[in-house]
Amino acid sequence: EIVLTQSPGTLSLSPGERATLSCRASQSVSSSYLAWYQQKPGQAPRLLIYGASSRATGIPDRFSGSGSGTDFTLTISRLEPEDFAVYYCQQYGSSQFTFGPGTKVDIK
Amino acid sequence: QVQLQESGPGLVKPSQTLSLTCTVSGGSISSGSYYWSWIRQPAGKGLEWIGRIYTSGSTNYNPSLKSRVTISVDTSKNQFSLKLSSVTAADTAVYYCARSIAVAGAGIFDYWGQGTLVTVSS
Repeated sequence: EIVLTQSPGTLSLSPGERATLSCRASQSVSSSYLAWYQQKPGQAPRLLIYGASSRATGIPDRFSGSGSGTDFTLTISRLEPEDFAVYYCQQYGSSQFTFGPGTKVDIK
Repeated sequence: QVQLQESGPGLVKPSQTLSLTCTVSGGSISSGSYYWSWIRQPAGKGLEWIGRIYTSGSTNYNPSLKSRVTISVDTSKNQFSLKLSSVTAADTAVYYCARSIAVAGAGIFDYWGQGTLVTVSS
């Protein structure tokens, strides 16, 4: 099983600031099969990024993903009020899909 | 627009079997382009993939739950279902059904149901 670790656990920022979220895998993620999701309270997760760096349909370009192997990053260039949420990374490079524990981005 | 909707009992007794159904609308579950998965999330915690099914009926399960999980599909009703046996309080969670695209690892979850809370308690 590939274990994903996310840091920091909580990121306190102000609207307009840049957010950098990290996701580290316990072993290399095949073919950069790494996705990022956003989840707001009481809602299902929403796909943001797949293939480590491809934005899903309708996702604003302030969201970007990068990385390969075991280290991946989600960057939100300028935080909008609606971006304050929990973000999960997920790997699908092995037959057992796993998610990270999440990073909460809250308002400073 | 594809929509997924979970349904089933919100309360299950310990040692019994949890049964949920996901109804897909706005698209055919028989499309060979997608897999159909169950994912759960205990309150205040992260996400755990339970397993998936393809339209052919082939399944993959999380090894940690494999001995207790059965996922099935009913193409005539455009539904797929989850059964989790011998439940305990640790199985209390919001259960989501989700669609993944049948390419590139087939693990990109692009559509999700709203989730349904299942509580295991006597």
